[in-house]
Amino acid sequence: AQSVTQLGSHVSVSEGALVLLRCNYSSSVPPYLFWYVQYPNQGLQLLLKYTSAATLVKGINGFEAEFKKSETSFHLTKPSAHMSDAAEYFCAVGGKAAGNKLTFGGGTRVLVKP
Amino acid sequence: NAGVTQTPKFQVLKTGQSMTLQCAQDMNHEYMSWYRQDPGMGLRLIHYSVGAGITDQGEVPNGYNVSRSTTEDFPLRLLSAAPSQTSVYFCASSRPIAGAGVGGELFFGEGSRLTVL
Repeated sequence: AQSVTQLGSHVSVSEGALVLLRCNYSSSVPPYLFWYVQYPNQGLQLLLKYTSAATLVKGINGFEAEFKKSETSFHLTKPSAHMSDAAEYFCAVGGKAAGNKLTFGGGTRVLVKP
Repeated sequence: NAGVTQTPKFQVLKTGQSMTLQCAQDMNHEYMSWYRQDPGMGLRLIHYSVGAGITDQGEVPNGYNVSRSTTEDFPLRLLSAAPSQTSVYFCASSRPIAGAGVGGELFFGEGSRLTVL
């Protein structure tokens, strides 16, 4: 079985401040981990993914995430928030035992204050 | 390149009615799946398919039916709509990660917002 917990359903940051979104996962096999972003009234699009290569993964729009096996975490960060980062962010886990099924966290909505 | 196309974008049903949400992809992806999105619950997998003629249940399959007669199409059928099925539905496709036997990046449609009265 696999599961994902995202801490904080809402996060508010000031423009230019650090964005930190937390994700912890549970998986019985080596995981594949993903972060997706959803803008209002749109589908999800991939920000970045970890598939057992480098533990520090860089994605689009200046985001990056670090896979920490000992902490079963895959937190998403961006050094300086921009107004355009206001969206909902989802962490997801997959793995060989799950076939092609991804399990998503509950999502974190980011509000960026000017 | 259209990617993943879902129709309709909006639908209102009465309890007990049936309908089909259409999903088509033009990327020749083997894997396709249907998710529903409800506030605070993220996305939950309804049904998925790893190829034409092969489907399987996800986390919340009850009340839904799927088939995969072609690589491109993966329709989702609501057999007898209930208010609990009011949600936003997303279709997604992907191809396997090379050598891993698991799905890679999901490509999503824009969603179908369903209201059941």
